[in-house]
Amino acid sequence: DSGVTQTPKHLITATGQRVTLRCSPRSGDLSVYWYQQSLDQGLQFLIQYYNGEERAKGNILERFSAQQFPDLHSELNLSSLELGDSALYFCASSVGTQMNTEAFFGQGTRLTVV
Amino acid sequence: DAKTTQPNSMESNEEEPVHLPCNHSTISGTDYIHWYRQLPSQGPEYVIHGLTSNVNNRMASLAIAEDRKSSTLILHRATLRDAAVYYCILLKNAGGTSYGKLTFGQGTILTVHP
Repeated sequence: DSGVTQTPKHLITATGQRVTLRCSPRSGDLSVYWYQQSLDQGLQFLIQYYNGEERAKGNILERFSAQQFPDLHSELNLSSLELGDSALYFCASSVGTQMNTEAFFGQGTRLTVV
Repeated sequence: DAKTTQPNSMESNEEEPVHLPCNHSTISGTDYIHWYRQLPSQGPEYVIHGLTSNVNNRMASLAIAEDRKSSTLILHRATLRDAAVYYCILLKNAGGTSYGKLTFGQGTILTVHP
């Protein structure tokens, strides 16, 4: 158990819909990262938040947004869903933003868009 | 950005040591070498990291070449549970925010035979 909790574990929704994925970081971790893993793209970094502020942005679509709340949990909002958005979405957390720390990943949310 | 090159796949027998190589010939002086692994249907898991010296922890050892252009992850006695995709990742320091750009390549698929 990494200590990072993601809900829900599975989500099935229709095209055009909007969903929210939730992540609770490990206790004491200030950074939250979101990743998308699809069969053809591998693990892709989407976005990072540190203590409530956006810190780094990757290949995140405009239809996607995220935020980190004062209690440090984070939500990833995916809207106008397309079939190609079907993927595993992982959240990770770390103590800080320094590269000599390790990141802990959750078990992921499997999103299926039909 | 410095890239890493890993074999697509490797096989091992249970209870035998496994040496997973990684080439990073364009590594810069401030790059850390990180290894993560992803077991089937799970999120990535931190294994080990290092800068210049060899490192050991409860999971594995990391041997870093003197010129730092290659490294080897060593699993001393492979178990069936070690079957996973192993990722070798370099992290750049870009004003303290580089950790969010943890970039996963294709990794090495390790198969462990009983």
